[in-house]
Amino acid sequence: DIVMTQSPTSMSISVGDRVTMKCKASQNVGFNVDWYQQKTGQSPKLLIYKASNRYTGVPDRFTGSGSGTDFIFTISDMQAEDLAVYYCKQSNSYPFTFGSGTKLEIK
Amino acid sequence: QVQLQQSGAELAKPGTSVKLSCKASDYTFTNYYMYWVKQRPGQGLEWIGYIFPGNGWTYYSERFKGKATFTADTSSSTAYMLLGSLTPEDSAYYFCARHNSGYWGFAYWGQGTLVTVSS
Repeated sequence: DIVMTQSPTSMSISVGDRVTMKCKASQNVGFNVDWYQQKTGQSPKLLIYKASNRYTGVPDRFTGSGSGTDFIFTISDMQAEDLAVYYCKQSNSYPFTFGSGTKLEIK
Repeated sequence: QVQLQQSGAELAKPGTSVKLSCKASDYTFTNYYMYWVKQRPGQGLEWIGYIFPGNGWTYYSERFKGKATFTADTSSSTAYMLLGSLTPEDSAYYFCARHNSGYWGFAYWGQGTLVTVSS
């Protein structure tokens, strides 16, 4: 199975900060990485698909980049409503696998 | 508007089974894979596998082989997951999810079903 190593595990941030998190795949997954946001008590929501494509309705402060084994997810201007856990997921080959998540907390 | 409506919370005893449902609406059920994802409270997401309702093909992550069994009823556009030989480690939220056309991002999710295994 492909292992998705996500970092950091958590971040303490302030509103307005630029937030960057990473995901590293244990083998080449091309551009086939998605990013999800999960708020407490809710189902995950798709934000970014195929590494850098913003899903419908997702604000442009959310961006993704990368290919191969290294991927980056950025929130350019952190808002209070962005407090959540963010997960990467590879969809290059079965079984699909998720990263362990990055939890954003208010400083 | 695609919707995935999951069944209600389950309380089950160790060693028994539960069958969870995920009713799909507003799309052609047989054209899309239905995925299942596990999340233990306070923990991360774990991909279980999928069923393709169009032909019944299934795929299970190695960890869930023998634990989960997927079926689908095309007449009611409902996907099912049977979890057998339950242990406390099976206590979790279980989500169904659907990808979008053209890519494998899970654009649609059910609300989740909480399974609690306790004697």
